Amino acid sequence: EIVLTQSPATLSLSPGERATLSCKASQSVTHSLAWYQQKFGQAPRLLIYGASNRATGVPARFSGSGSGADFTLTISSLEPEDFAVYYCQQRSNWLTFGGGTQVEIK
Amino acid sequence: QVQLQESGPGLVQPSQTLSLTCTVSGASLSSGDHYWSWIRQHPGKGLEWIGYIFGSGATSYNPSLQSRVAVSVDTSENQFSLELYSVTAADAAVYYCARGNAFLEWFLDYWGQGTLVTVSS
Repeated sequence: EIVLTQSPATLSLSPGERATLSCKASQSVTHSLAWYQQKFGQAPRLLIYGASNRATGVPARFSGSGSGADFTLTISSLEPEDFAVYYCQQRSNWLTFGGGTQVEIK
Repeated sequence: QVQLQESGPGLVQPSQTLSLTCTVSGASLSSGDHYWSWIRQHPGKGLEWIGYIFGSGATSYNPSLQSRVAVSVDTSENQFSLELYSVTAADAAVYYCARGNAFLEWFLDYWGQGTLVTVSS
């Protein structure tokens, strides 16, 4: 099983600031990684797939990068609606999710 | 617009079988360009993949649950289902159904709203 480790667990930032979220895999997943956003009481929403491709309707302030075992989700300037929990997911070997990063208002 | 909707009992007794159905609208389960998945989320915790099925009936399961899970598909009703056998309190969670999309490198683009399942006698 490929384990995904997300850091930090919590990120406290203000609107307008830049958010940088990390996801590290226990072994290479090449570029087979996605990022999801989950707001309280809602289902996850696909943001990024294939490590760096934005899903339909996702604002350009969201960007993904990385390959192999080290990935980053960047939110260039936080909007109020971006405060949520973010999960990475790999599909290289079965499907596994990271433990999540909560982006909270500072 | 693709929509997925979970349905089933919200309360299951320990040692019994959890059965949920996901009804899909706006997409055909027969399409080979998608798979249909179950994911769960324990209260206040992260996401755990349970398994998925293609419209052809081919399945893949989380190795940690494989011995007591079955996913099936009914293309005539455009539904797919989850059965989880011999449940315990550890199976209490919100259960989501979701679609994997070949055009998005098989990642999960549409999700149901989720259904809470409690395990208790």
